Amino acid sequence: DAGITQSPRHKVTETGTPVTLRCHQTENHRYMYWYRQDPGHGLRLIHYSYGVKDTDKGEVSDGYSVSRSKTEDFLLTLESATSSQTSVYFCAIRPRTGPKETQYFGPGTRLLVL
Amino acid sequence: SQQGEEDPQALSIQEGENATMNCSYKTSINNLQWYRQNSGRGLVHLILIRSNEREKHSGRLRVTLDTSKKSSSLLITASRAADTASYFCATEDDGAGNMLTFGGGTRLMVKP
Repeated sequence: DAGITQSPRHKVTETGTPVTLRCHQTENHRYMYWYRQDPGHGLRLIHYSYGVKDTDKGEVSDGYSVSRSKTEDFLLTLESATSSQTSVYFCAIRPRTGPKETQYFGPGTRLLVL
Repeated sequence: SQQGEEDPQALSIQEGENATMNCSYKTSINNLQWYRQNSGRGLVHLILIRSNEREKHSGRLRVTLDTSKKSSSLLITASRAADTASYFCATEDDGAGNMLTFGGGTRLMVKP
């Protein structure tokens, strides 16, 4: 699992509240990604990071922000959660060694917005 | 938007049979990858094929790539119940380095 953890693993929250999901890696990987997975849509990229304080938007970034103040942590914030953000969120890294085009995924966070 | 579209969306076979899944995409790519996802888990990388390759093997997996048709296929031979999972293709698009675009996936069920 390339040393990737996500927290929390499950969260229930109410519409309009801010939510922060954390992705933590222990192997000094430079590239980190946040995806959401919804039925029928596969995985869609929200934001990614290519280094500390270096981030960029993905396909579905509206309503989300990210921060990376240190290499090991990539935070995803839902500024004001909506029911459409109910989803499973996956963090991924691109490895420093080996096939660099591949990605390794964390276990996911199930978020329910009521 | 999805780059890859998998076909079929769902596939049910008996143990020992071969399973074939197809992926079509729309733009020029650097490489195409296949991932597996067991229920409730993260995705696991299976195999990568580059745009200048036509076929690749890894154990019971065989992947083909036809860039003229913008399509790929994943063949799992002699399937096992443990192969039951969802399978996703993902493309690294030409000019979009470091990012992958995933398809909607094929749900494979292998019956013992």
